[in-house]
Amino acid sequence: AQSVSQHNHHVILSEAASLELGCNYSYGGTVNLFWYVQYPGQHLQLLLKYFSGDPLVKGIKGFEAEFIKSKFSFNLRKPSVQWSDTAEYFCAVNARAGNNRKLIWGLGTSLAVNP
Amino acid sequence: DAGVTQSPTHLIKTRGQHVTLRCSPISGHKSVSWYQQVLGQGPQFIFQYYEKEERGRGNFPDRFSARQFPNYSSELNVNALLLGDSALYLCASSPTVGTGGYEQYFGPGTRLTVT
Repeated sequence: AQSVSQHNHHVILSEAASLELGCNYSYGGTVNLFWYVQYPGQHLQLLLKYFSGDPLVKGIKGFEAEFIKSKFSFNLRKPSVQWSDTAEYFCAVNARAGNNRKLIWGLGTSLAVNP
Repeated sequence: DAGVTQSPTHLIKTRGQHVTLRCSPISGHKSVSWYQQVLGQGPQFIFQYYEKEERGRGNFPDRFSARQFPNYSSELNVNALLLGDSALYLCASSPTVGTGGYEQYFGPGTRLTVT
């Protein structure tokens, strides 16, 4: 079955620390990959996406992610986090389901950044 | 431009009752998807509609149904509510569906509480 696994459920960092959130998926076909963020009290927003091409993608607010096909991974990184990055982060994979694609989500990672 | 809108924002219902949630997609978007997000988990796919036709269905009981109207807005209906239906119900719109890459834009959600 298609699934998305996020390795870290809760992460606590201090400001200026580096961030890496792991995401692995199980699906053998062509995928579209996403990281979404949900700030407290706000709705889901797209951080970045990978459809094809350069496996290193850059998103908003200094985030980037690298698609490693051989490892079925799409890890999210940021070199220096800020207090305002405190949020819930979701990895999602758009996998083929028949003639369409279905968005499959990880459980999310709760990030708390201490000032 | 207006984003995805959902109504109502919050709703409290009693077990056994019926509920209807509404969603208006971004102008020009022809696809609407519905997700259920239980606290502490990632969104779970319920339905996807495109051009008024159901294009995907998740693992939810028949108590859940949906439809899409000619103006591309959508309703999610849940019958015979159970306590376990308490969740945030998210609507997402996209310009298209299919096997190519596309991203979804999320609304703020409807918080349903079943007592």
